[in-house]
Amino acid sequence: EAGVTQFPSHSVIEKGQTVTLRCDPISGHDNLYWYRRVMGKEIKFLLHFVKESKQDESGMPNNRFLAERTGGTYSTLKVQPAELEDSGVYFCASSQGSWREYQETQYFGPGTRLLVL
Amino acid sequence: RKEVEQDPGPFNVPEGATVAFNCTYSNSASQSFFWYRQDCRKEPKLLMSVYSSGNEDGRFTAQLNRASQYISLLIRDSKLSDSATYLCVVRRNRDDKIIFGKGTRLHILP
Repeated sequence: EAGVTQFPSHSVIEKGQTVTLRCDPISGHDNLYWYRRVMGKEIKFLLHFVKESKQDESGMPNNRFLAERTGGTYSTLKVQPAELEDSGVYFCASSQGSWREYQETQYFGPGTRLLVL
Repeated sequence: RKEVEQDPGPFNVPEGATVAFNCTYSNSASQSFFWYRQDCRKEPKLLMSVYSSGNEDGRFTAQLNRASQYISLLIRDSKLSDSATYLCVVRRNRDDKIIFGKGTRLHILP
């Protein structure tokens, strides 16, 4: 079974440009999550989709970030315009079953390393 | 204060030794607890969930102390392949997101 995949693996852009990250969850997983790790800090939650609906977007830093999951399959995370502080590793994760289960297991993708210059 | 705090690393431990990691969480309403492992430049992978009664998986033992808001991970007979960063992860309640600790780096020395 294929795991969570993310594209691109790396992205280097200039401040002010736009970048779109893509995540393909494990097939059949309704829950999709985006996380970010800024250098030297802990991994932080950005948002959670259940199918195509945003369940929780409380972790999104500001309105320069836009996440979509049309059709409830893959998801994109767009940063526009990118700022220096957006640099970091963006992880996507997916899980099966009810997100209300206490011990839900999330499977992470390899991450996209974003560097904004 | 961080919601999830872990021992600062790195831990440098000889192969075969036993090593223990601690993690404290600040929200007493937290319900779910996990240890994830992250290899260098890789994604986090679930190592084990932590249950109230404590649980063991081979060389790994996880304990939960709700009264002290404390989680531990014990690795026995450590292997070179155990070198990684260990992330303590907590979920506050069933409607909430998971919170990561900063991680503790472990180096197993030959």
